[in-house]
Amino acid sequence: QQQVKQSPQSLIVQKGGISIINCAYENTAFDYFPWYQQFPGKGPALLIAIRPDVSEKKEGRFTISFNKSAKQFSLHIMDSQPGDSATYFCAPSYNQGGKLIFGQGTELSVKP
Amino acid sequence: NAGVTQTPKFQVLKTGQSMTLQCAQDMNHNSMYWYRQDPGMGLRLIYYSASEGTTDKGEVPNGYNVSRLNKREFSLRLESAAPSQTSVYFCASRFGSLGGGELFFGEGSRLTVL
Repeated sequence: QQQVKQSPQSLIVQKGGISIINCAYENTAFDYFPWYQQFPGKGPALLIAIRPDVSEKKEGRFTISFNKSAKQFSLHIMDSQPGDSATYFCAPSYNQGGKLIFGQGTELSVKP
Repeated sequence: NAGVTQTPKFQVLKTGQSMTLQCAQDMNHNSMYWYRQDPGMGLRLIYYSASEGTTDKGEVPNGYNVSRLNKREFSLRLESAAPSQTSVYFCASRFGSLGGGELFFGEGSRLTVL
């Protein structure tokens, strides 16, 4: 079973605030934990990803926190900007391929 | 560098008509995927091909067929289109080997079934 649960479904944040999106999964054998960003009318694109051997990865204003024991990982967007307004998806999987199920998506709106 | 190319970008069909969505990637990826995206439903996996010569069902395969024509191309066929298949369809690919987890998407094909 490859259940992936993402929360919240939607999020409104003021400019400069912190956005936090969570993803829970069931398959403990997964070894690749990415977040994808999608703008309207476009296909999703990789934002940031983490391997299970580290607990946190930071790229600019974007940070992934990974909790292996809880089977959860989260995306933190610091100093959120209106340009970050998009839909975000998690998609934990096997790095080596195979079935790839996405979370339900989180629609983020950053208000100026 | 084209990446993942989908055709057509837009299509309007009548109920019962058939059509094929084409997808090609030029990144030498092993794995290819077809997703559909509906408002409020996220991305749902229709079919995938882990490697050339193999295909497997995803979450919502009913009403669709696929063909992995070669390593580059992965097509999605609707044999008898229904209004419930109105959606945006995305093709995606990735290496599917160690270090190749990132999924690359096409721009999408917007299908309307009347």
